[in-house]
Amino acid sequence: DVKVTQSSRYLVKRTGEKVFLECVQDMDHENMFWYRQDPGLGLRLIYFSYDVKMKEKGDIPEGYSVSREKKERFSLILESASTNQTSMYLCASSRRDRALYGYTFGSGTRLTVV
Amino acid sequence: AQSVTQLGSHVSVSEGALVLLRCNYSSSVPPYLFWYVQYPNQGLQLLLKYTSAATLVKGINGFEAEFKKSETSFHLTKPSAHMSDAAEYFCAVTLSGGSYIPTFGRGTSLIVHP
Repeated sequence: DVKVTQSSRYLVKRTGEKVFLECVQDMDHENMFWYRQDPGLGLRLIYFSYDVKMKEKGDIPEGYSVSREKKERFSLILESASTNQTSMYLCASSRRDRALYGYTFGSGTRLTVV
Repeated sequence: AQSVTQLGSHVSVSEGALVLLRCNYSSSVPPYLFWYVQYPNQGLQLLLKYTSAATLVKGINGFEAEFKKSETSFHLTKPSAHMSDAAEYFCAVTLSGGSYIPTFGRGTSLIVHP
């Protein structure tokens, strides 16, 4: 079964820590995405990548960065975690002909910053 | 520009009753439309998609949706609700000829009563 795997289901970090969220897909998808999900706000796009070593800002990139050194792996980095970054983080991937097939999502990482 | 509105943050039905989750979109060009489902503590799973073929689209778990251009709607229905349908449902729209990054609605929580 094809998968998008997020390394942690639950994380608790302290304010000011540097936090890494990892995402790996085994479908040879070109495109990868990071969203955060908050109650009443739906999904908001943080960053996305269409290829190795490239990245594009989404709607809410402030306070985040990303890394894509290999096609299958897309990392989200919180440079200095803050309490307002407490959220559910979802990774997704899609084929290059991205509009027609939709996304495959990981199970999410629930991050709490204390 | 594209946008999607899901009417009702919560919908409550009895087991066996009709499920109707509403989605209206705004798009200046022909859209691609998607419904995703999210079960508790999981990522999103693609239910069905409209990509300009048949206007009535059948998905998994007995769900279907009808694209109505005149009403700019893509409502999700199921004839008979089951307890296992209780979840969060997201409508999403993306545009042909654009960046193909979908815009998600804020979600509708489906509650199923015995």
